[in-house]
Amino acid sequence: QKEVEQNSGPLSVPEGAIASLNCTYSDRGSQSFFWYRQYSGKSPELIMFIYSNGDKEDGRFTAQLNKASQYVSLLIRDSQPSDSATYLCAVGGGFKTIFGAGTRLFVKA
Amino acid sequence: NAGVTQTPKFQVLKTGQSMTLQCAQDMNHNSMYWYRQDPGMGLRLIYYSASEGTTDKGEVPNGYNVSRLNKREFSLRLESAAPSQTSVYFCASSERRKGGTDTQYFGPGTRLTVL
Repeated sequence: QKEVEQNSGPLSVPEGAIASLNCTYSDRGSQSFFWYRQYSGKSPELIMFIYSNGDKEDGRFTAQLNKASQYVSLLIRDSQPSDSATYLCAVGGGFKTIFGAGTRLFVKA
Repeated sequence: NAGVTQTPKFQVLKTGQSMTLQCAQDMNHNSMYWYRQDPGMGLRLIYYSASEGTTDKGEVPNGYNVSRLNKREFSLRLESAAPSQTSVYFCASSERRKGGTDTQYFGPGTRLTVL
């Protein structure tokens, strides 16, 4: 059974701090990795994807991938109250995508 | 560009009733998906359609059927609803880009309660 594991949280950080969200996966052959943000009662929206080892930056967001450790993370710099949401890690792509249950992030003003 | 649209947004059924959830996308994507999301669990794939005219089972297909009506539309049918099918249902679509990855885009969801 392929698995994607995330800490359910809530992760609470003060406004302006860096939020660090982590995800581990079991399928060593996975090639594509995604982070989605989901506000309460809404649908998941793509933040970014990564498929090479290392860091990928997009604005305040940085995704980090370490395939040897089967670990992917998302850093949110200068966290804002509007970043409060559940963050879903997804691994695989297309019909092979496996989603984690998500980490709830709360940014305190 | 509406992206992925779903109807209805909310539905309450009695056990044994049937209904069809509708999904349409205007992004000209080949692949479409149906997921369910339950509290404390990740999105689970019910069925998918890799291209017009094809459908395949996902992780949790029991109790559901699908139809890929054309490239734009992909419907999910519950023939005899059960309380275990109470969930939020999301439709998604994707397109594999050359040199890129197969990224899914989601509709707004249907919140279904089966009494």
